Amino acid sequence: DTEVTQTPKHLVMGMTNKKSLKCEQHMGHRAMYWYKQKAKKPPELMFVYSYEKLSINESVPSRFSPECPNSSLLNLHLHALQPEDSALYLCASSHAQGDGYTFGSGTRLTVV
Amino acid sequence: RKEVEQDPGPFNVPEGATVAFNCTYSNSASQSFFWYRQDCRKEPKLLMSVYSSGNEDGRFTAQLNRASQYISLLIRDSKLSDSATYLCVVNIGSNDYKLSFGAGTTVTVRA
Repeated sequence: DTEVTQTPKHLVMGMTNKKSLKCEQHMGHRAMYWYKQKAKKPPELMFVYSYEKLSINESVPSRFSPECPNSSLLNLHLHALQPEDSALYLCASSHAQGDGYTFGSGTRLTVV
Repeated sequence: RKEVEQDPGPFNVPEGATVAFNCTYSNSASQSFFWYRQDCRKEPKLLMSVYSSGNEDGRFTAQLNRASQYISLLIRDSKLSDSATYLCVVNIGSNDYKLSFGAGTTVTVRA
């Protein structure tokens, strides 16, 4: 299994909703990441988990809350988002430091 | 100065042509370098890592110039399927978990 699986693929949510994005990998990778990508822009790092511990938070607003229940799963909990948070949210994983990432196909989020 | 800078293009080339473009990075301590390919509305996919000695994968050749702090990608014998945005990716300083993406170079191969 060489994939990173993200669900859902599309999500529309209101500004008062609470939702979660899910990411799963079974490659034995010990680092997992959340990126945000707006149209025609490069991906921007949000969070890094290394060995199930949060190691990098790029000053992301608290309405985004990451969670790593185990080495294969990564969640992103969403609450009280703004329309400008609409974007493609990408999960990625890597085996070790210095390795390239494998990306999931992303969740396309629209906040209304 | 941005951490990673790329010529946005677009590079519009005929099938069979050779196209090459560069990416500069600002942090001299960077150690990991990659080229990713991203198709419209899809996720980035790792094209190749870039090694100090340069490396080749089929029609694709990547080079690293540490002295001038740039990496390059050359595509030979371009195919229509090579049309994509190519993202230059570099680790930030000593933290290999933190990769910075360039804004991408758009390549369009025409028949």
